[in-house]
Amino acid sequence: SQQGEEDPQALSIQEGENATMNCSYKTSINNLQWYRQNSGRGLVHLILIRSNEREKHSGRLRVTLDTSKKSSSLLITASRAADTASYFCAPGTGGFKTIFGAGTRLFVKA
Amino acid sequence: DAGVTQSPTHLIKTRGQQVTLRCSPKSGHDTVSWYQQALGQGPQFIFQYYEEEERQRGNFPDRFSGHQFPNYSSELNVNALLLGDSALYLCASSLLRTGTFYNEQFFGPGTRLTVL
Repeated sequence: SQQGEEDPQALSIQEGENATMNCSYKTSINNLQWYRQNSGRGLVHLILIRSNEREKHSGRLRVTLDTSKKSSSLLITASRAADTASYFCAPGTGGFKTIFGAGTRLFVKA
Repeated sequence: DAGVTQSPTHLIKTRGQQVTLRCSPKSGHDTVSWYQQALGQGPQFIFQYYEEEERQRGNFPDRFSGHQFPNYSSELNVNALLLGDSALYLCASSLLRTGTFYNEQFFGPGTRLTVL
């Protein structure tokens, strides 16, 4: 596994707006996962996208993957105050450990 | 069905002391991984246990050791605590499936360790 780099480091939006965060990585992967962490608590697995997929949806979440650019994006539509959290991407090459970057801190103001 | 549980929730120790953190995996899971998360950073992989053995290890000194019991629960031990060991320690469990290329991890709420 390798570390992803999330961008931006922090993002502040109003409730109802969409939030987009990006992830870049360096070498070929076979999957990429996104996780959410509410303040100081455990991580929650949000979605996994495989290398042969370009887009995946889960509720208000939309993840895209561009393997040619070695990048992924997570879009949260119609954001809510409860979406305030840190978001981490984890590019995977198989194996049993997950390497996390510093994450994107999302603040959704009511 | 209980998820991953960790104990204690918070812990305060002083430099030089030793600490043991505990983790019970999600029901049906057989693999436990430990992560250290400093304030404002992403979680850093410490090591992973499967079949009571350490399978993989991150870039952590030997002061960090672990154990997995026959019931799949796990302990993380840290000796000779340093101020820099202050962090949130996360446990994650998964089910090892041969032939798959990833194993979804379920994280516990973490143990907040403060070293004074």
